[in-house]
Amino acid sequence: QVQLVQSGAEVKKPGASVKVSCKASGYTFTSYGISWVRQAPGQGLEWMGWISAYNGNTNYAQKLQGRVTMTTDTSTSTAYMELRSLRSDDTAVYYCARARRGAAPGPNFDYWGQGTLVTVSS
Amino acid sequence: QPVLTQPPSSSASPGESARLTCTLPSDINVGSYNIYWYQQKPGSPPRYLLYYYSDSDKGQGSGVPSRFSGSKDASANTGILLISGLQSEDEADYYCMIWPSNAWVFGGGTKLTVL
Repeated sequence: QVQLVQSGAEVKKPGASVKVSCKASGYTFTSYGISWVRQAPGQGLEWMGWISAYNGNTNYAQKLQGRVTMTTDTSTSTAYMELRSLRSDDTAVYYCARARRGAAPGPNFDYWGQGTLVTVSS
Repeated sequence: QPVLTQPPSSSASPGESARLTCTLPSDINVGSYNIYWYQQKPGSPPRYLLYYYSDSDKGQGSGVPSRFSGSKDASANTGILLISGLQSEDEADYYCMIWPSNAWVFGGGTKLTVL
């Protein structure tokens, strides 16, 4: 069965960086991409970006350009999301989801990780 | 980025149907897009329910009951999630999503209460 398992909760100070991992299993990792989505406390879902596990191509949300980097390690079927220059409003649960490229037909974001709480506080 | 408008809340009784809407801005034609729907319960990640483009191009998520279905109302430029035979376990937040141009966009979500 498809599973995405994320790394544990993090507490960071403003200005620091955080790197969250997402280990995939149960499917051919390079046949899909991974999208990252975050959810601030009590708020809705915000798409952060997408990375192709096939060739590493990325597409970041304009709002986060310059602060976020997404990578993959195909040898371990793991995706990573690094967010830099953290601010208090980056406090959120961060999710990874299996994702096709944007215009691809069919299901998308069909499997999700359990979420990683990142708290930014001085 | 365009804004997808979802009513903040909706309610219905067990056994009834709930019709949740996702309205696109006027400069984006709902007929041109896949509409994706997700269910989220407190403390859990979103769950993929289905996508809907047309009656001949749609897909149900794995294990999602057939009482969850999608459609569109072109006259209202709206995507619709219909939940029939409501059960108490359907009480959750529901989000729509589309890919309008080089970025995924989520609606603000609707909190469905099963009375």
